Formats: sequence, C-alpha cells, structure tokens
Amino acid sequence: KNQVEQSPQSLIILEGKNCTLQCNYTVSPFSNLRWYKQDTGRGPVSLTIMTFSENTKSNGRYTATLDADTKQSSLHITASQLSDSASYICVVSDDGNAGNMLTFGGGTRLMVKP
Amino acid sequence: NAGVTQTPKFRILKIGQSMTLQCAQDMNHNYMYWYRQDPGMGLKLIYYSVGAGITDKGEVPNGYNVSRSTTEDFPLRLELAAPSQTSVYFCASSYPQDQPQHFGDGTRLSIL
Repeated sequence: KNQVEQSPQSLIILEGKNCTLQCNYTVSPFSNLRWYKQDTGRGPVSLTIMTFSENTKSNGRYTATLDADTKQSSLHITASQLSDSASYICVVSDDGNAGNMLTFGGGTRLMVKP
Repeated sequence: NAGVTQTPKFRILKIGQSMTLQCAQDMNHNYMYWYRQDPGMGLKLIYYSVGAGITDKGEVPNGYNVSRSTTEDFPLRLELAAPSQTSVYFCASSYPQDQPQHFGDGTRLSIL
C-alpha cells in the first residue's frame, strides 16, 4: 500500500529561524512529489513539484529536496516569518490513473512565534 | 480570480438528512476531485472526474455520489448523512493531471 509519512507532526520555531520538514514515502511507481502549504481554514496551495530527475527546487524561501533512491524528501524554510505558520503537506504521485494517483501525508503543523 | 469555489462553507446536518456540496472552477480544468480531510489525517479521495460526463470512485466513495454535467461544476451528494461523514470536504481541479491541483477553501460539515 502506498504511504507517505511526515515528521515531525508539529514544530514551533522563532521568527527568523530556519527549519526542515521531512517526508518519507513508499509510493510505486513514482511520478512526482509535491509540497503544499495549508493555512488554517483554507485549502492547500502548491509550493513545489518535483519529478524523478529533479533533486532540488526552490520557491522563494522554500527549498524542497528529493532523493528518489532513499524515497525521502525535505522542505527547508529559510528565515521564517509569522505567515509561515501553517500545515505543510507532502504528496506523492504514482503513475496510475488520474484519480488514484496521489497519496497525501498527514502534514507537519508549523508554528512561528515572534 | 475565483479559481475553485465551494459552497456552503459550513453546514450542520441531522443524521439521515441529505445535501449537496457545490464546487465550481473557472480555469477550464478537465480534472476535478473531491477529498475529505479528517483531523490529523491526510486527504482521502472520494470521487474524481477526468471530464464532463465521466466520473470514477476514489479511495472512500461509500455514502457519496457525484455528477459532472459541465466542465465547470462537480457537485458532491450525501444521500443519508451519518456521523462518520463529519469532516472537511475539499474540491480541487487540475489540467493536465500531473500539474499541481488547485483547491477550494473547503466545506466544514458536521453530522449530529
């Protein structure tokens, strides 16, 4: 069964600090890996999407890495801001049909304190 | 830019009642999806559609029905509400299927 595990479940950091969120997956065959940001009370918003051949991708202060060999990904947030407080969701896509292709992790809830 | 619009935002139902959750997108996306999100859990796919007139079951379809008469609209129907259906429901769309999905802001549904 395809699974996506994220760690830690929750994290508290001070404004201006960096942090790294982890994602391990057992999805096969692999197509791409996505990171989403979900603010409280809102729908997820895409941050990055990486295919098998990409091992890093940035979106502003967010940098995602992918190691397809160990089936691990990380999301690094640089110089955190209060607005980074949200849940971050790792999603892995397989090569199946359109609807059953995505497996969602349970998310990491990040709180940035002043 | 509207994107994906879901209505209502909140709803409380009694056990056994029925209702339709509305979802509309204005991006001309072929692919549309319904998910439910339970506390601390990953999103689970309920139903999806690859185009008007075509729908298919996802991981947790029991107790739900969908239709896709137009590209823009993808309503989700609960026929006999049960407490286990208390959740936050998200609609999403994408084009093509391997591009990031665009999500609505969800419908928070409580069954009492």
